[in-house]
Amino acid sequence: EDQVTQSPEALRLQEGESSSLNCSYTVSGLRGLFWYRQDPGKGPEFLFTLYSAGEEKEKERLKATLTKKESFLHITAPKPEDSATYLCAVQSVGAAGNKLTFGGGTRVLVKP
Amino acid sequence: KAGVTQTPRYLIKTRGQQVTLSCSPISGHRSVSWYQQTPGQGLQFLFEYFSETQRNKGNFPGRFSGRQFSNSRSEMNVSTLELGDSALYLCASSLGANTGELFFGEGSRLTVL
Repeated sequence: EDQVTQSPEALRLQEGESSSLNCSYTVSGLRGLFWYRQDPGKGPEFLFTLYSAGEEKEKERLKATLTKKESFLHITAPKPEDSATYLCAVQSVGAAGNKLTFGGGTRVLVKP
Repeated sequence: KAGVTQTPRYLIKTRGQQVTLSCSPISGHRSVSWYQQTPGQGLQFLFEYFSETQRNKGNFPGRFSGRQFSNSRSEMNVSTLELGDSALYLCASSLGANTGELFFGEGSRLTVL
């Protein structure tokens, strides 16, 4: 059974204070690893897809990296608008279609 | 381009009742997935439909069911509601069959009393 564990559960940052979120996963065969952002009262919003170890993706102040066992989401010089819950999910080779297994998320609060 | 639309946004039911939730995907998207989100269990996959066929089902009891219509709109139904069914039910659509890039609606928040 696919498993995804995210740490820490919550993170409080000062504006400009860079940090990293961790996503550890166990999957029989990785088809893709995904990062989503969820704001309160909203559905998750897609950020990145990573397919193989060593791959990196960037978007504004966010950078996602992937190893064989975990992924990191680096937030560089965050701003208050980066406050959200960040979700990691995996899609396994054995799962047909768009079935994703999500981690519990990391709640990020960036204070001005 | 309109996003994923879910109705109703909020609803309150009592134990034993049933509920039907509706989802209109982004135009052109043929895959529709449903997820349940709770504080304790997080986001859990319910099922996925593609071209009116259920392709995948999560580990939920048979009280949870769904369907997809020819216009890709989808409904999910929960019968004999239990207190533990209180959750945010999220619908997501996708352009591709296996991309994993999902576009979520804002969800239907169900409270069971």
